[in-house]
Amino acid sequence: DIVMTQSPDSLAVSLGERATINCKSSQSVLYSSNNKNYLAWFQQKPGQPPKLLIYWASTRESGVPDRFSGSGSGTDFTLTISSLQAEDVAVYYCQQYFSTPPAFGQGTKLEIK
Amino acid sequence: QVQLVESGGGVVQPGRSLRLSCAASGFTFSSYGMHWVRQAPGKGLEWVAVISFDGTKKYYADSVKGRFTISRDNSKNTLYLQMNSQRAEDTAVYYCAKERGTDSSGYYQLTPDSWGQGTLVTVSS
Repeated sequence: DIVMTQSPDSLAVSLGERATINCKSSQSVLYSSNNKNYLAWFQQKPGQPPKLLIYWASTRESGVPDRFSGSGSGTDFTLTISSLQAEDVAVYYCQQYFSTPPAFGQGTKLEIK
Repeated sequence: QVQLVESGGGVVQPGRSLRLSCAASGFTFSSYGMHWVRQAPGKGLEWVAVISFDGTKKYYADSVKGRFTISRDNSKNTLYLQMNSQRAEDTAVYYCAKERGTDSSGYYQLTPDSWGQGTLVTVSS
């Protein structure tokens, strides 16, 4: 099974500053036949279900603000929020969907400094 | 728009059974695989099970294999999770979620793109 590890576990960033969350998979999630990374990012605000932000490691879901971006390939990935807004306070999860079980990372709690 | 509404949660004693339901609307239910994902109080997301669009393929997390059964009724647009031999560690909010499916480029994605609000299951004597 592929294990997903996020860092840091929590992060405090000032409004308007950049936030960076890392995700590492125990095996590559890059499928060579289509050159796509089977990696998604989710945002979960308190009391709400998760929301898909990014799929294919770097493609924003419809309606997601462009301050959210994803990057990386193979086993190392990053979610970046270019200019933190108050409404971005949440827990963020990465998930690999290269193989079952489609495991989630442990989550990164993002707060305002 | 996609709507997923879970029901069936509650308090159950250890060793007993419970069945969750997820009523789907706003999309062609019979064309998409569906997931159950759970979240213990104050903890992260744990994937539980997935079923293919036609119900022929099912996969489970090791933590529930042999105890939980995922199923669907495409005529009723409803997803189910039968939970047997429940344990205290099964206490969680259970979410149903729709897979993203095949995109315009023809590539299939298992990852969920729409989630219900969840139903709380508490296993306690």
